[in-house]
Amino acid sequence: QKEVEQNSGPLSVPEGAIASLNCTYSDRGSQSFFWYRQYSGKSPELIMFIYSNGDKEDGRFTAQLNKASQYVSLLIRDSQPSDSATYLCAVSKAGTASKLTFGTGTRLQVTL
Amino acid sequence: ETGVTQSPTHLIKTRGQQVTLRCSSQSGHNTVSWYQQALGQGPQFIFQYYREEENGRGNFPPRFSGLQFPNYSSELNVNALELDDSALYLCASSRRGVEETQYFGPGTRLLVL
Repeated sequence: QKEVEQNSGPLSVPEGAIASLNCTYSDRGSQSFFWYRQYSGKSPELIMFIYSNGDKEDGRFTAQLNKASQYVSLLIRDSQPSDSATYLCAVSKAGTASKLTFGTGTRLQVTL
Repeated sequence: ETGVTQSPTHLIKTRGQQVTLRCSSQSGHNTVSWYQQALGQGPQFIFQYYREEENGRGNFPPRFSGLQFPNYSSELNVNALELDDSALYLCASSRRGVEETQYFGPGTRLLVL
């Protein structure tokens, strides 16, 4: 079982729709959760981070964390073609020098 | 832009050679982490430096080594390059704390022939 699992996609959504990206993790000791966006040929860019159960909203983005079910999700409202990228889920746990463990990423395609 | 810089942007080496990659952290950050990202994969943690000492290491052999300098910049050294070392090498800087978040530089793309 991989430590962090994501559906590789591609996830295709029409412009203006809500994109829902999911991530599950195996280590119950995980405490910090991050979503990074990575455009082709570029480095990861931090989109959201969440530490507590529940929802956290930032503009068009909402991160959702459910520690009991060991999943974290990212919702993108009013999806734009510029949102087309690979979204990486990353987790870290206390006492590991903030080492990030990444999933393989979900490729999102926003179609016109 | 995160304020994290890396050099060089691209590098071509041959098997068996050695390479040094450099990273300057974002202002106010005291921790540098290095990751390797193979094509189509998520980044893999190599190691982290804090207060000029290695502070956590992933599943990478000893031929991967590093340094952190008093100004918090860092180097990644790879000896005896292998073909599988071809990847994007990412440096991330952060400020050690409870809600620590890592910001990535643009990366160095290494090709080993």
